[in-house]
Order: sequence, then C-alpha cells, then structure tokens
Amino acid sequence: EDQVTQSPEALRLQEGESSSLNCSYTVSGLRGLFWYRQDPGKGPEFLFTLYSAGEEKEKERLKATLTKKESFLHITAPKPEDSATYLCRLLSGGSYIPTFGRGTSLIVHP
Amino acid sequence: GAGVSQSPSNKVTEKGKDVELRCDPISGHTALYWYRQSLGQGLEFLIYFQGNSAPDKSGLPSDRFSAERTGGSVSTLTIQRTQQEDSAVYLCASSLGVSAGGSTDTQYFGPGTRLTVL
Repeated sequence: EDQVTQSPEALRLQEGESSSLNCSYTVSGLRGLFWYRQDPGKGPEFLFTLYSAGEEKEKERLKATLTKKESFLHITAPKPEDSATYLCRLLSGGSYIPTFGRGTSLIVHP
Repeated sequence: GAGVSQSPSNKVTEKGKDVELRCDPISGHTALYWYRQSLGQGLEFLIYFQGNSAPDKSGLPSDRFSAERTGGSVSTLTIQRTQQEDSAVYLCASSLGVSAGGSTDTQYFGPGTRLTVL
C-alpha cells in the first residue's frame, strides 16, 4: 500500500529563516510526486511535479528535491505570504488513485 | 480559460437531509476527482472519473454517497441522509488525465464546498 508521511505537522519560522519540509513515501513504482500549497478556505494550488530521484524544481523561494525515499521542499528566506499548508501527493504505477500526505502547516512571522 | 468551479461555496443542512454538490471542471479535462477534507485532516479520496470509463468509487465512505458526471463535464456529488460526521470541505479537481503519467495528471482544484450538517 502506498504511504506518504509529511513532517513536521506544523512549522513556525521568522521571516528570512530558511527551512525544509519533508515528505517521506513508500510506493510501488513512483510515477510522480507533486507538491501543492493550500491557503485557508481555498483549494490546493499546484507547485511542482518531480518524476525521478535526483530531480529538482525551483520557483521563487521554493525548491523541491526528490530521492528514492523522500522529497524535500526547501524554503529560502521565507516571507509572511509563504504561510500556508503544503501538501505532498504521490502518483504510483500501481494505481490511478492519488495519495496525499496530511500536510505541513507553515507560519512565517514578520 | 476559467479554473475549476464548485457550488455552492457553503452549505448548511440538517441531519437527515440530502445535499447535492456541483463541480465544473476545466474545459477539456477528462479526469475528475472528488475529495473530502475534514478539519486538520489530509485529503481523503472519494471518487474518480476518467473519460467515459466506469468511475472508481473505491473511496466512497458509504452507500449514502454517490456521484455522477454528465456528458464528461459537470459532476454532482450527492450525499443522502446526511450525518454530522459528513461535515467537511468537499473538493473537486480535474486534470487532462492519466495516460503515461507525467504532467497530464497535474490536478487543478476548485475552491471547495464547505458542508455543515447540524
């Protein structure tokens, strides 16, 4: 059974304090790992897709990386507007049913 | 064009009543998903439609839940005889569809319908 675990559940940072969010997974044939951002009261917003170990994607202050067991979402010099819940999602070769992690709630204080 | 839209944005109902939630996917997207998100919980998969194929209903929590997709576009999620534990945000997402994997399965979400069962 495919599993996704995100850590930490919650993270508080000061503006400018870089950190990383983790998404650990077990899957029968990874076809894609997706990162989303969800603001309160809104649906998740797509950020990145990673397909194979060693791949990296960047967007503004965010950088996503992938290994065979986990993915990291690195946040460099975060700003208060980066505050949101970040969700990780798997697409495996064994199923079309997506598996989401529970998310990491990030709060960036000014 | 427009993104995924859902209606209503909020629904308050009494226990035992039936409710219908609507999702308008992005035009041209063949895949449509329904999820449920309870407070502090992750996204719980409910049902998946792909083109004209029979839907995957493996995530529906009980036979009170059903969904249909008319003409390969608009979808309606129906909850019969609502219970208080049905209170949650119901999210719909659409994608170009899963073929060889990859970007075609990037899901785009609607804003959700917040359901409150009193």
